[in-house]
Amino acid sequence: NAGVTQTPKFRVLKTGQSMTLLCAQDMNHEYMYWYRQDPGMGLRLIHYSVGEGTTAKGEVPDGYNVSRLKKQNFLLGLESAAPSQTSVYFCASSSTRTSGGARSGELFFGEGSRLTVL
Amino acid sequence: AQSVTQPDIHITVSEGASLELRCNYSYGATPYLFWYVQSPGQGLQLLLKYFSGDTLVQGIKGFEAEFKRSQSSFNLRKPSVHWSDAAEYFCAVAEAGTALIFGKGTTLSVSS
Repeated sequence: NAGVTQTPKFRVLKTGQSMTLLCAQDMNHEYMYWYRQDPGMGLRLIHYSVGEGTTAKGEVPDGYNVSRLKKQNFLLGLESAAPSQTSVYFCASSSTRTSGGARSGELFFGEGSRLTVL
Repeated sequence: AQSVTQPDIHITVSEGASLELRCNYSYGATPYLFWYVQSPGQGLQLLLKYFSGDTLVQGIKGFEAEFKRSQSSFNLRKPSVHWSDAAEYFCAVAEAGTALIFGKGTTLSVSS
């Protein structure tokens, strides 16, 4: 019962390099999200997706791109990494339906990906 | 715009004492409300949630929260704090079909 899986869990980049974070969920959830967490800032929404093939901007989208080609996967890309993007990134998913103990809108989180940009 | 405010950045409580963490939100409709806990280096764990109905919600680890519409608040409480409760706590708010908006968190320290 994997839930939400993020890869990689740790990564160090140099300024200007590119990379992609992968989020995979096996709960057939319609919605997926990418958040970043920084000290004293809580979690801030970067981008989200309400279904396969759709994406939308969140609170802090600049410098990031996303894609949702398959329902179960949500990719977060950094085309040219900057030190300001050093953060812990969390992926989450949710369903639009109530199922079992989870209500519509309840988020399930991955364990996080720690990214350092030098 | 939607917002969530956790007024206390850091709280220290003696072990065995009671705890209340404050959360206020700004929202048009009745939102979905959540409290999450995060231990150092870990992901987020859902403590409890409110969608509708009884305004006093019971969660895991002995936590409860009360939704007060008149005060736009969803404060988290625990009658007796244990040292293992030391962590960061996040209040979050959403409307159906929208993304969760998080507060900036409250760090709880437990003294012996």
